[in-house]
Amino acid sequence: EPEVTQTPSHQVTQMGQEVILRCVPISNHLYFYWYRQILGQKVEFLVSFYNNEISEKSEIFDDQFSVERPDGSNFTLKIRSTKLEDSAMYFCASSGIRAGGGSYNEQFFGPGTRLTVL
Amino acid sequence: QKEVEQNSGPLSVPEGAIASLNCTYSDRGSQSFFWYRQYSGKSPELIMSIYSNGDKEDGRFTAQLNKASQYVSLLIRDSQPSDSATYLCAVKRDTGRRALTFGSGTRLQVQP
Repeated sequence: EPEVTQTPSHQVTQMGQEVILRCVPISNHLYFYWYRQILGQKVEFLVSFYNNEISEKSEIFDDQFSVERPDGSNFTLKIRSTKLEDSAMYFCASSGIRAGGGSYNEQFFGPGTRLTVL
Repeated sequence: QKEVEQNSGPLSVPEGAIASLNCTYSDRGSQSFFWYRQYSGKSPELIMSIYSNGDKEDGRFTAQLNKASQYVSLLIRDSQPSDSATYLCAVKRDTGRRALTFGSGTRLQVQP
């Protein structure tokens, strides 16, 4: 069963440092997303990406955040200058038509990267 | 404010019973509805999607949607201890928008 993968599983950084979180979406999926979940809180949408550009972003996704698809498989989230409040689980997800069917509406999540900002 | 509301629980049911999980949403433009299961410390796992009013069954799971009442539910038949998790309701407004809006989840405990 194809799945979304994410690296690293846990990232510890100092406040003000840049971090890059990496994701490999499900092969042949067309839409890619980043969500975050602060401990004990709801899963929150950050950004969606389609056809090599941002298609939608939330208020959380400010100038400190950026996304990129540097090659045919990876999808990255960069936080330029981390803050304490950026500490959270970051989930990558993907959706789209794939072999065996599946609605393009259905979003499948990776295992997440736990980001801890000290 | 577009919200998705769920009772936080915990909802405790005995093994073999039916668990009923409920969700209401405020955005009448919502068109797609999803139930995810999230074990502690893990990522959301898609269980079911539903797009039309009525019931949709998949194995032990049945999703129910009532757009007029802005209500979606998930029934789990023959509940097992392994079903113990937090169940997240998520909604999506179509017409080009991709973002899922999640509820805070209902914690389900299935007692052996």
